[in-house]
Amino acid sequence: QQQVKQSPQSLIVQKGGIPIINCAYENTAFDYFPWYQQFPGKGPALLIAIRPDVSEKKEGRFTISFNKSAKQFSLHIMDSQPGDSATYFCAATDSWGKLQFGAGTQVVVTP
Amino acid sequence: GAGVSQSPSNKVTEKGKDVELRCDPISGHTALYWYRQSLGQGLEFLIYFQGNSAPDKSGLPSDRFSAERTGGSVSTLTIQRTQQEDSAVYLCASSLMTYEQYFGPGTRLTVT
Repeated sequence: QQQVKQSPQSLIVQKGGIPIINCAYENTAFDYFPWYQQFPGKGPALLIAIRPDVSEKKEGRFTISFNKSAKQFSLHIMDSQPGDSATYFCAATDSWGKLQFGAGTQVVVTP
Repeated sequence: GAGVSQSPSNKVTEKGKDVELRCDPISGHTALYWYRQSLGQGLEFLIYFQGNSAPDKSGLPSDRFSAERTGGSVSTLTIQRTQQEDSAVYLCASSLMTYEQYFGPGTRLTVT
């Protein structure tokens, strides 16, 4: 049973566009929500993370929006570049810190 | 500084053989995690270590899987009597606190 649901499975945007990836969760015990970026043949790399007491967090071109009441959070990639083409995973952790991952979104940014 | 390292990077083994996968966490990181990434199942948690003890082994798929951690550092994941469904990328992560987890490059296991 997937505890974190992620959509879409894949998306294609032009350079400069804003890919948006959405995630939803049910377990209210989750208290930390990271996003990971993964390139083929590499391990996931921590991109940005948010706690449920914050509604938005920005780091560079990456922004997380968090809606605690709806139990949803999303990643926006501003001014996307071809180098951002990768698979993105949302995740959530409980008190032990083990990550429950979404299914992943393959993002392609065309030149 | 050095990140999480894993060895081997690739392992091909015959069905029924045992394999050992190694993880070297970031120096000083007390928490260590094993995950498995496969096409059909995505990224799955296997086991969590805090120091040398494993308070959460809930993700190990069968008793053929075991893991240990020695000296609060290196960890080994052992799969006995490998099956074709064990083919996957095995990922290790470490963290200083239990939140920010940093992953290694993974070991790609292929069982023929």
